[in-house]
Amino acid sequence: TQLLEQSPQFLSIQEGENLTVYCNSSSVFSSLQWYRQEPGEGPVLLVTVVTGGEVKKLKRLTFQFGDARKDSSLHITAAQPGDTGLYLCAGGSWGDMRFGAGTRLTVKP
Amino acid sequence: DVKVTQSSRYLVKRTGEKVFLECVQDMDHENMFWYRQDPGLGLRLIYFSYDVKMKEKGDIPEGYSVSREKKERFSLILESASTNQTSMYLCASSQIRQGRAFFGQGTRLTVV
Repeated sequence: TQLLEQSPQFLSIQEGENLTVYCNSSSVFSSLQWYRQEPGEGPVLLVTVVTGGEVKKLKRLTFQFGDARKDSSLHITAAQPGDTGLYLCAGGSWGDMRFGAGTRLTVKP
Repeated sequence: DVKVTQSSRYLVKRTGEKVFLECVQDMDHENMFWYRQDPGLGLRLIYFSYDVKMKEKGDIPEGYSVSREKKERFSLILESASTNQTSMYLCASSQIRQGRAFFGQGTRLTVV
């Protein structure tokens, strides 16, 4: 089983601050995905990173895949209350996708 | 718009009951998954299926079984529900060899 560890588990910040959350593993992944989940709903895909060293930007969100394809980070610039949610990373071989435990982000106005 | 639909948003069942959770996807995806989500533990894979009538155990299959008789439908069965199976259950589907998964809205199951 390929394990994904996310840190921090909880993060509470003020609106306008920057933050970075991490997803680490001892295993190599062909790709990693980041999802965001709101209370009472299923996770929704934000991005997939495939190439080692890849950086993808989605408005104020920047995703990076480690060179060795074992880790990834999500950086949010100037966080807004609408960014509040559970951020999950996921990866795995073609059939059995595994998730990290997630980072629960709260952005206070 | 792509869709994964779970049959119930909320369910309350009694200990010992046989429980069926249904999931249907309209994207012709080969892969389908069942996860349970508990605070602090994240999403844990119960079973997945990569084709009709095919199933593979995930990390926590004990107490569960699955059925995939048609490509679009993946059912999770709790043979004899227990209180420790109280949880949020999430169904997902994806194309084969692609990481992107589409999730249903979840079923919050309470076993009393």
